[in-house]
Amino acid sequence: GAGVSQSPRYKVAKRGQDVALRCDPISGHVSLFWYQQALGQGPEFLTYFQNEAQLDKSGLPSDRFFAERPEGSVSTLKIQRTQQEDSAVYLCASSLGRGQGQDTQYFGPGTRLTVL
Amino acid sequence: DAKTTQPTSMDCAEGRAANLPCNHSTISGNEYVYWYRQIHSQGPQYIIHGLKNNETNEMASLIITEDRKSSTLILPHATLRDTAVYYCIVRRGGGSNYKLTFGKGTLLTVNP
Repeated sequence: GAGVSQSPRYKVAKRGQDVALRCDPISGHVSLFWYQQALGQGPEFLTYFQNEAQLDKSGLPSDRFFAERPEGSVSTLKIQRTQQEDSAVYLCASSLGRGQGQDTQYFGPGTRLTVL
Repeated sequence: DAKTTQPTSMDCAEGRAANLPCNHSTISGNEYVYWYRQIHSQGPQYIIHGLKNNETNEMASLIITEDRKSSTLILPHATLRDTAVYYCIVRRGGGSNYKLTFGKGTLLTVNP
């Protein structure tokens, strides 16, 4: 079946521009996560949704970062006034989210953001 | 979540078994061991997970020591396509809201 998809795969932005990154989770998956991966590092947690509710945004690095999932399916990560330190790969993951036992997260291919 | 320790890099010959170790000496009783891998320019791929029993699936086997302080991921017949960064992650079970905490992982290079 279809996995997690993300678009665009690559994004180049000038410093100060706003960007929007999209994630389409696996159909029926309740939980959705965003991670940020800097070059040479492992992914780091940004935020978590259960359906449309954003239950954890403790990993968002600043108030320039905003995520939403208005209908409990597709999610958008928005970064305002991008800075060079925002350059990274942004990964989206989804899971069934039934809250029972182990709940495996499945990742999309990521969006590589480069801020010039 | 408990921290994990993995070697920075390992090499393996094609067709041989690759054994990737992970130490998680502070693991709690309700924490699972997960393994993911990340091939260059792709998102992390789930491999396997376990609590205390050894586990096997079509991709790999997971051996967890009796005291649960360490584990080994085994790729029985490594191929060139298995070259990737392998992440060992300890994560609480019983809920759907638990983030994954990645370290730097082990870069496994499979050589022809």
